[in-house]
Amino acid sequence: GEDVEQSLFLSVREGDSSVINCTYTDSSSTYLYWYKQEPGAGLQLLTYIFSNMDMKQDQRLTVLLNKKDKHLSLRIADTQTGDSAIYFCAESYTGTASKLTFGTGTRLQVTL
Amino acid sequence: DAMVIQNPRYQVTQFGKPVTLSCSQTLNHNVMYWYQQKSSQAPKLLFHYYDKDFNNEADTPDNFQSRRPNTSFCFLDIRSPGLGDAAMYLCATSRERRTSYNEQFFGPGTRLTVL
Repeated sequence: GEDVEQSLFLSVREGDSSVINCTYTDSSSTYLYWYKQEPGAGLQLLTYIFSNMDMKQDQRLTVLLNKKDKHLSLRIADTQTGDSAIYFCAESYTGTASKLTFGTGTRLQVTL
Repeated sequence: DAMVIQNPRYQVTQFGKPVTLSCSQTLNHNVMYWYQQKSSQAPKLLFHYYDKDFNNEADTPDNFQSRRPNTSFCFLDIRSPGLGDAAMYLCATSRERRTSYNEQFFGPGTRLTVL
């Protein structure tokens, strides 16, 4: 079955790094994604990683994928108050055209 | 700006009274999706349209229907809303239906309250 899990809440101080974790169960995942949802807004794609990669860096964002442990993480360097939002990981996999399976979301709170 | 628009942003309906939520897109994407998102839960795919081809998820209740009269518009009809249908409803689009990379573009959502 498909199951994507995330911790519910993370609080960090402005300027620190944030690490948001995600575990998934389907080993046939092809792409894994991180979406951001700000209050009152829809989900916005932040970054993604192909399943044959183990790391991807995009400015302040670093995605790490441990396929053996089915663990995905998103690191945000120099976290800013504007990064406060809910972060969802999602996966897509071969054979289920178009379908994304989302995690439950992690609420990131950035304090001064 | 090309975008996904949902109307209304907030909808209140009565138990059992049919309600329709609307989504439109200016991206000219072939695929449109409807998700249900309850508080502190993952968005759950209800169905999607690939062009005019309707694809229902196996566990979507019959109470939920959808229409896509043209490329730009897609509607979610809830025939007899129950209290358990109160949620945020998200519309999304993607350019094509793929088995690989699939970026979806989301609207802001419609929050449905059932009294």
